[in-house]
Amino acid sequence: DIQMTQSPSSLSASVGDRVTITCRASQGISSNVAWFQQKPGKAPKSLIYAASSLQSGVPSKFSGSGSGTDFTLTISSLQPEDFATYYCQQYNNYPFTFGPGTKVDIK
Amino acid sequence: EVQLLESGGGLVQPGGSLRLSCAVSGFSVSSRAVSWVRQAPGKGLEWVSVITGSGGITFYADSVKGRYTISRDNSKNTVYLQMDSLRAEDTAVYYCAQLTTSWGQGTLVTVSS
Repeated sequence: DIQMTQSPSSLSASVGDRVTITCRASQGISSNVAWFQQKPGKAPKSLIYAASSLQSGVPSKFSGSGSGTDFTLTISSLQPEDFATYYCQQYNNYPFTFGPGTKVDIK
Repeated sequence: EVQLLESGGGLVQPGGSLRLSCAVSGFSVSSRAVSWVRQAPGKGLEWVSVITGSGGITFYADSVKGRYTISRDNSKNTVYLQMDSLRAEDTAVYYCAQLTTSWGQGTLVTVSS
């Protein structure tokens, strides 16, 4: 199975900060990575698919990059509504696997 | 607008069974893959199973293989997750999702005596 790791596991940031989250796959997965945002008590929300394609309706402050084994999610200017947990997921091979998540909270 | 609506969660004893349903609108389950993903209390997301669009091929996480069965009814545009031999560690909120686009609101399954 492909293992997905994320770093950092948590971070504290201020409104307006640029935030970058890294996701690494245990083997090459082309660009078959998605990113999700989850707020407490809510279902995950799709942000990015195919490593860098923005889901419809998602603001352009979110961006994704990478291919192969290393991927990043960047939030260009953190806003109060962005404080949440972020997960990467590979869908290149079954079983699909998620990263452990990165919790972004207020500094 | 795509919508997925889960139902069927509840309290079940260890060793028991439960069937979850995912009613889909906005796309045909016979044309797009639908996955089940679960989240244990206070934990991260765990992919559980998928049924592909064309062909209806099924895949499972190792943790549920042999105990869970995913299926669909094209006429009802609904995907099911039959869960047998349930264990305490299966306790979680179960989401159905067209993974890279839309998720349901989740249904809670509690396995406890």
